[in-house]
Amino acid sequence: EAGVVQSPRYKIIEKKQPVAFWCNPISGHNTLYWYRQNLGQGPELLIRYENEEAVDDSQLPKDRFSAERLKGVDSTLKIQPAELGDSAVYLCASSFRQGLSGANVLTFGAGSRLTVL
Amino acid sequence: GENVEQHPSTLSVQEGDSAVIKCTYSDSASNYFPWYKQELGKRPQLIIDIRSNVGEKKDQRIAVTLNKTAKHFSLHITETQPEDSAVYFCAASIEGYSTLTFGKGTMLLVSP
Repeated sequence: EAGVVQSPRYKIIEKKQPVAFWCNPISGHNTLYWYRQNLGQGPELLIRYENEEAVDDSQLPKDRFSAERLKGVDSTLKIQPAELGDSAVYLCASSFRQGLSGANVLTFGAGSRLTVL
Repeated sequence: GENVEQHPSTLSVQEGDSAVIKCTYSDSASNYFPWYKQELGKRPQLIIDIRSNVGEKKDQRIAVTLNKTAKHFSLHITETQPEDSAVYFCAASIEGYSTLTFGKGTMLLVSP
């Protein structure tokens, strides 16, 4: 099993530039999460998908961040334009939800480290 | 929403000693409490979890205890080894309804 695959692993951009991150969850996992992890902090939820539906995006800064999960499999997270404060690791995670169980048993990807100059 | 506090932020122990990390949560409806280990530069990995229908769970050298009344839960690592050095995160959620809310993490350093 390949696990949760993310790309790119590292990205350095100048402020005001756009950036996109891609995530391929574990095969069969119906729930996908994007978290942001600042240095020395715990992961903070940006958005959660159940299949292709965004069911929790209350913490997503919608003025500059967008996400999509077409066909309920892969997902992309976009930032446009990037700001200095967006420098962080963007973690994708997935889980298999069956009824009420399993939804919160997360498997994380390796993350995409963004540096905004 | 849920708020999870984690203490201490750093913990240094000698190899062979025990380590205890504590977390408190705010939402009394939360019923799922996992712990993740994150080694430097790597992804968080689930090491143990507990649901609110039990008070304690063990897996070899690690154990988690839950006090629902006080709304706190703890991770216990016995006979620590240098490879236990990492950042540990606790989290809480209402299983099947809410998304995990993580604590800020505890950096555990185990000296040989």
